[in-house]
Amino acid sequence: QQPVQSPQAVILREGEDAVINCSSSKALYSVHWYRQKHGEAPVFLMILLKGGEQKGHEKISASFNEKKQQSSLYLTASQLSYSGTYFCGTDLVSGSWGKLQFGAGTQVVVTP
Amino acid sequence: EAQVTQNPRYLITVTGKKLTVTCSQNMNHEYMSWYRQDPGLGLRQIYYSMNVEVTDKGDVPEGYKVSRKEKRNFPLILESPSPNQTSLYFCASSPLERGGLLREQFFGPGTRLTVL
Repeated sequence: QQPVQSPQAVILREGEDAVINCSSSKALYSVHWYRQKHGEAPVFLMILLKGGEQKGHEKISASFNEKKQQSSLYLTASQLSYSGTYFCGTDLVSGSWGKLQFGAGTQVVVTP
Repeated sequence: EAQVTQNPRYLITVTGKKLTVTCSQNMNHEYMSWYRQDPGLGLRQIYYSMNVEVTDKGDVPEGYKVSRKEKRNFPLILESPSPNQTSLYFCASSPLERGGLLREQFFGPGTRLTVL
């Protein structure tokens, strides 16, 4: 079952912050985050492994809460270049190695 | 240049006419995967391969076939395409850590397929 992302879309002004959530009904081994700009292929942002680690990419960071089976992506002081659709991909503890399920995506629009 | 290539980039075909979309990577990655992307549904995994001659089903394998005879190539075959396979297809590759942990995936540019 696909993870659930929220919100579906968010509009920000430059400099504002946003949080994107990714929730699963099953126990997760890892969460993968990607960003896709219009007309382009998805681009890797970061992977979080179970253990609650946080990671960062530019001013984008993420956390992983194993108990809640969810991950959150934090866009801090957003820039115009952050516009795009963000996808989380989940790797289940009960799943097969290599099988990845992506959420439906969160569209982010950053305006001047 | 390290990259994943797909061909063709665009394809319009008719129902039932067999087609193959090629995918090739030059990074010596063990892992390769095919996804389809449809509006509102995100990326859905079709098939994946952990190494040569090792393939497995993703979430939406019906109507597709794959093979992994060489490490660099992972073609997607539609034996009898139908209109519900109209979609944007992405191939991706990734190195694997010890134990099979998936790392960063590198995506190809995509193939837009229309089945009439």
